[in-house]
Amino acid sequence: DAKTTQPPSMDCAEGRAANLPCNHSTISGNEYVYWYRQIHSQGPQYIIHGLKNNETNEMASLIITEDRKSSTLILPHATLRDTAVYYCIVRVVGRGSTLGRLYFGRGTQLTVWP
Amino acid sequence: KAGVTQTPRYLIKTRGQQVTLSCSPISGHRSVSWYQQTPGQGLQFLFEYFSETQRNKGNFPGRFSGRQFSNSRSEMNVSTLELGDSALYLCASSTGTGGYEQYFGPGTRLTVT
Repeated sequence: DAKTTQPPSMDCAEGRAANLPCNHSTISGNEYVYWYRQIHSQGPQYIIHGLKNNETNEMASLIITEDRKSSTLILPHATLRDTAVYYCIVRVVGRGSTLGRLYFGRGTQLTVWP
Repeated sequence: KAGVTQTPRYLIKTRGQQVTLSCSPISGHRSVSWYQQTPGQGLQFLFEYFSETQRNKGNFPGRFSGRQFSNSRSEMNVSTLELGDSALYLCASSTGTGGYEQYFGPGTRLTVT
């Protein structure tokens, strides 16, 4: 699975959009971008994933650049409860997949302040 | 739908002892993966079970083992505990097919003294 690079920390004012970047310049054609987050001392929580089109769900939006070398997770109206470590993971889905194995890096510590 | 449950939530053991942790996946999920999380190493994959078979294994010594039952519940065992085994142990369940989104339990906090 391709390696990702994320800033170690970011902060955001409550109510504003939080934009978390991820660089995955070595991504290959059959690799998807996944985002998870981990609130302190809890298990990681799946947020969203995508291949090349932008994706949106009730939690967040995922914007993937046209060359797929980077992506941005957007939390449109951050709340204090969004304070967490956010992990960007790139992985193969389907043939050649690592199946149940996720490679977590260090992620980005997002702090939302009031 | 109930989430992933792990028992016990907290555990204190002594060096040299063994421990068994339990994970009940989301109903209908057939894959269970286990991870170890420490401040120094972060989240590291231990192994994955699917339909009672181990189909993926991380780089951990043989003291770490697991199994899965026919109802998809899984257990992991650590024998001859070392101080360095103190960690948060997380399990994640998934359907085992398709996008493979994993849903994590709250973890078991193991302290070895």
